[in-house]
Amino acid sequence: QQQVKQSPQSLIVQKGGISIINCAYENTAFDYFPWYQQFPGKGPALLIAIRPDVSEKKEGRFTISFNKSAKQFSLHIMDSQPGDSATYFCAASWQGAQKLVFGQGTRLTINP
Amino acid sequence: GAGVSQTPSNKVTEKGKYVELRCDPISGHTALYWYRQSLGQGPEFLIYFQGTGAADDSGLPNDRFFAVRPEGSVSTLKIQRTERGDSAVYLCASSLMGTGDSPLHFGNGTRLTVT
Repeated sequence: QQQVKQSPQSLIVQKGGISIINCAYENTAFDYFPWYQQFPGKGPALLIAIRPDVSEKKEGRFTISFNKSAKQFSLHIMDSQPGDSATYFCAASWQGAQKLVFGQGTRLTINP
Repeated sequence: GAGVSQTPSNKVTEKGKYVELRCDPISGHTALYWYRQSLGQGPEFLIYFQGTGAADDSGLPNDRFFAVRPEGSVSTLKIQRTERGDSAVYLCASSLMGTGDSPLHFGNGTRLTVT
């Protein structure tokens, strides 16, 4: 019940394309859904986050789509760039806390 | 400004030894978290401090793991009688409030290798 399942494990996208990463959860008490970006040797950095009262949030080239009834959410990276090559993690938490449950990660490679 | 600082960046120790990992959070952040990240996995929650007290230590795997934050700033994660399975990157994070949408700021972690 505490798991967040993330797919795909790895993804290769051409420069300028759209990268899509999906996550699913079971615990309906989750009320905060962030996405983190991690480069090798660095800690995760917050990209964008959403609450379940909205279905979509956009910040620059990054968009979260949220489907409450399906208990799924996804990250879309528009106009993907080689600098976006990194590992991406979805996460979830509840009761407004930052005790995050992370997905397994997606290694994204953007080919020039 | 300075981010979350973790020292050492790498630590190699022998099985059975004691280790201490240090975290300096962003100045003024009241909440501090420890996570553990195994190779190819997402971070896993270990413990959370609000001020000086451990608000939630439910993620500590067993009693060999202990963390302190005596003055509400720097924190130390202590691991006794280390085992090879403890090898991982230990991440520290801080946030301004520890609630709501107050974002977590992660350090670059300490890579612990138990031989």
